[in-house]
Amino acid sequence: EPEVTQTPSHQVTQMGQEVILRCVPISNHLYFYWYRQILGQKVEFLVSFYNNEISEKSEIFDDQFSVERPDGSNFTLKIRSTKLEDSAMYFCASTGDSQETQYFGPGTRLLVL
Amino acid sequence: GENVEQHPSTLSVQEGDSAVIKCTYSDSASNYFPWYKQELGKRPQLIIDIRSNVGEKKDQRIAVTLNKTAKHFSLHITETQPEDSAVYFCAASGGSYIPTFGRGTSLIVHP
Repeated sequence: EPEVTQTPSHQVTQMGQEVILRCVPISNHLYFYWYRQILGQKVEFLVSFYNNEISEKSEIFDDQFSVERPDGSNFTLKIRSTKLEDSAMYFCASTGDSQETQYFGPGTRLLVL
Repeated sequence: GENVEQHPSTLSVQEGDSAVIKCTYSDSASNYFPWYKQELGKRPQLIIDIRSNVGEKKDQRIAVTLNKTAKHFSLHITETQPEDSAVYFCAASGGSYIPTFGRGTSLIVHP
């Protein structure tokens, strides 16, 4: 069964540094998402992406965040200048035409020191 | 926006017992209600979902019920097993298809 993949699995960075988290959605899916989950808390929506543009974003997704689909398979989340509070697990997800069932990747655990 | 409340935050049961997790939602326009299971350090995985035109759905040992009038939905797990131990998240979504998640329930099944 096809799965969403993410790299890296873990990332440690210094405050103020830029990070890029990478995702490969399921190949025939059209809608892509980023979520974050602070340790012990619920999954929070960051941004959705369709047809090469952002379709929705949450209040969390401020100017420090950006997303890109640089080629036909990858979907990236960039944090320009990381803050301590960006430390979390970041999940990518994708959906097909129905847009309902979210298929999550394994996540990238980001630690900002 | 949508607000999803989930209870309890922790649920401890003996193997073989039933477990029930309850969620309420605020937006009457929500029409899709998935449940995700997240094992420690793993990705959330869909275990069952229900749409607003259905009141109940069952898949082997798990079932979900939906009361649209009261805006609440519940997950029922029967004959629990230790491998059911995980965090379970409910979610609700509507026209935008962006799910709003509950805070999660940590289910512990004691052998």
